[in-house]
Order: sequence, then C-alpha cells, then structure tokens
Amino acid sequence: EPEVTQTPSHQVTQMGQEVILRCVPISNHLYFYWYRQILGQKVEFLVSFYNNEISEKSEIFDDQFSVERPDGSNFTLKIRSTKLEDSAMYFCASSVGLYRGSNEQFFGPGTRLTVL
Amino acid sequence: EDQVTQSPEALRLQEGESSSLNCSYTVSGLRGLFWYRQDPGKGPEFLFTLYSAGEEKEKERLKATLTKKESFLHITAPKPEDSATYLCAVQALFGSGGYQKVTFGTGTKLQVIP
Repeated sequence: EPEVTQTPSHQVTQMGQEVILRCVPISNHLYFYWYRQILGQKVEFLVSFYNNEISEKSEIFDDQFSVERPDGSNFTLKIRSTKLEDSAMYFCASSVGLYRGSNEQFFGPGTRLTVL
Repeated sequence: EDQVTQSPEALRLQEGESSSLNCSYTVSGLRGLFWYRQDPGKGPEFLFTLYSAGEEKEKERLKATLTKKESFLHITAPKPEDSATYLCAVQALFGSGGYQKVTFGTGTKLQVIP
C-alpha cells in the first residue's frame, strides 16, 4: 500500500543551525502538508502546498520556515535558524485533492527534531 | 475561530468493555471530519472521514458517527491492540480564497486492559 515516507526519523541540531526535513508524498497525490506536534500537545497545521506554491500557511509558519518541491517526488521543509522551541515531531501529509472523497490526508511517520 | 474538543482526555477500559469517544466541534463551512489513530512516536493513521450529519462509517470494532455539532467514535468489545490515542480533526473553509485548513483536537488516550 502506498505510504508517505520521511527522512530522517530523528534530527539533532544546535540552536541557530539550518535543518531540512524531507518527505516523499504518495505518488498520485497533489496536495502536500507539514504539521508539527510538540511533545504532549496537539497536532498543529503549518503549511499546505499545491502546484508548486504555498496555498495556505498558519501563523506558526513565519519567515524562518520555507517549503520546496525540488523534484517530482520530494517535498521539503527548511527551518533557517532553529530555536529551542522548534523541537517537535514534524509530520508530512498528502492528499489527492481538497474536496469530498479526495481530501483524506495520509501522514508520514514523522521526523523528531531536537534543538540543543 | 475553529475549535475541536475531545473527551475524555484518557479512557481505561477492560478488554471487551465497549465505550464511546466524543469530538465536539465549532467550525463554519465544514468540509470533513476525520478520525485518526496515533501510536506513541508515530504519525497519525487515517481511520474515517465523515462529511454530513447522520453519516456513519465502520471498520472492524470501530464505528464513527456525525451530528451537526459532534462526532462519536464507538469502540465495540475493544482489544489491547486498540490501545492508542484517537485524534479527531475537522477540515473547514478558511478565508475567501476557498482554502481549507485542518484543525486537530488534543486526542483521547485509550488504554485497553487484558
């Protein structure tokens, strides 16, 4: 069964460093998302991406964050200068579409980011 | 502001003891309500989508129902392997551009004791 994959599974970085989290969405899906989950808290929406551009972003997704689809399969989240409070699980998700019958989002296993 | 509230926060059941989890929501322009299962340290696993009040979906021991204000996830004769956190999420219209965002609840942590 097709699934969303993410690498790395765990990333440790120093405060102020740049990190890139990678995702391979399900191949026939057109919409891609990033979410984060701080330990013990709820899953929070960061950004959605369609047709090579951001379609929506939350207030969390500030200028330190960027997303890119560098090729036909990968979808990346870059954090330019990490802060301690960026420590969280980051989930990538994808869906076929936005509307009834196609808007189920399938999640990857996550990348645990630890900022020291 | 869209709100999703799940109750109870935690639930401990004996194996075979049926129960229900609740998800109440306040959104405008609901485009779908989703149930996910999340195991510790893992990503949410999709279970169901519900679109309209009165709709029901079933999968093995799980049954999800939807009204205009809440959804229930009924667990019939649970087994220890059903132990997980169950997340509810709603997708609703956002702004004037037709964009849709997903808002998650904080989840119900279910423990099923053998």
